[in-house]
Amino acid sequence: EAQVTQNPRYLITVTGKKLTVTCSQNMNHEYMSWYRQDPGLGLRQIYYSMNVEVTDKGDVPEGYKVSRKEKRNFPLILESPSPNQTSLYFCATISSMGEVNEQFFGPGTRLTVL
Amino acid sequence: EDQVTQSPEALRLQEGESSSLNCSYTVSGLRGLFWYRQDPGKGPEFLFTLYSAGEEKEKERLKATLTKKESFLHITAPKPEDSATYLCAVQATDDYKLSFGAGTTVTVRA
Repeated sequence: EAQVTQNPRYLITVTGKKLTVTCSQNMNHEYMSWYRQDPGLGLRQIYYSMNVEVTDKGDVPEGYKVSRKEKRNFPLILESPSPNQTSLYFCATISSMGEVNEQFFGPGTRLTVL
Repeated sequence: EDQVTQSPEALRLQEGESSSLNCSYTVSGLRGLFWYRQDPGKGPEFLFTLYSAGEEKEKERLKATLTKKESFLHITAPKPEDSATYLCAVQATDDYKLSFGAGTTVTVRA
């Protein structure tokens, strides 16, 4: 079954404590991306990656880092989380860059930073 | 900068009452326009990709159409299970970034 998995699904942490949200896909997709979703603001892209070792900033990259060492994994790193990073986070993949077809989103990670 | 505006913000329908959602967009060159359905607390679920003006796609009670400036998602004879937030996104030819609208929340009453 085609899947995008995220862990953890829920996380409550404190300001300044480094954390990583993992994203893994089993579809061999080249393109992976991270979004945050906030009420009234919709989905905003944080970072994306077109392939291994290729990453680029989205609309709201400040305070986040990513890495793409393997095709299947695309972790999101918050080095020093702050309360304004409390949000619902989604990882997503796209099958092909030539013709964009079906896209898959993960189930989401709800992060609360106190 | 790419912009996507969806209207209305919310739509309340009676079961069987057909309606349309609008997605207006501004993009330098369109690679694709996407429609998603999102249920509360879940990730968006892909519905359609449209690539060029005049294109139409259908899935059950949903039909998406595309012009050079906007897209419509038509819901024909909706049922309560069609209640969800519908998201529109565009991708430009010179950038693989996806830009999303804020969504239209549809509620269908039995």
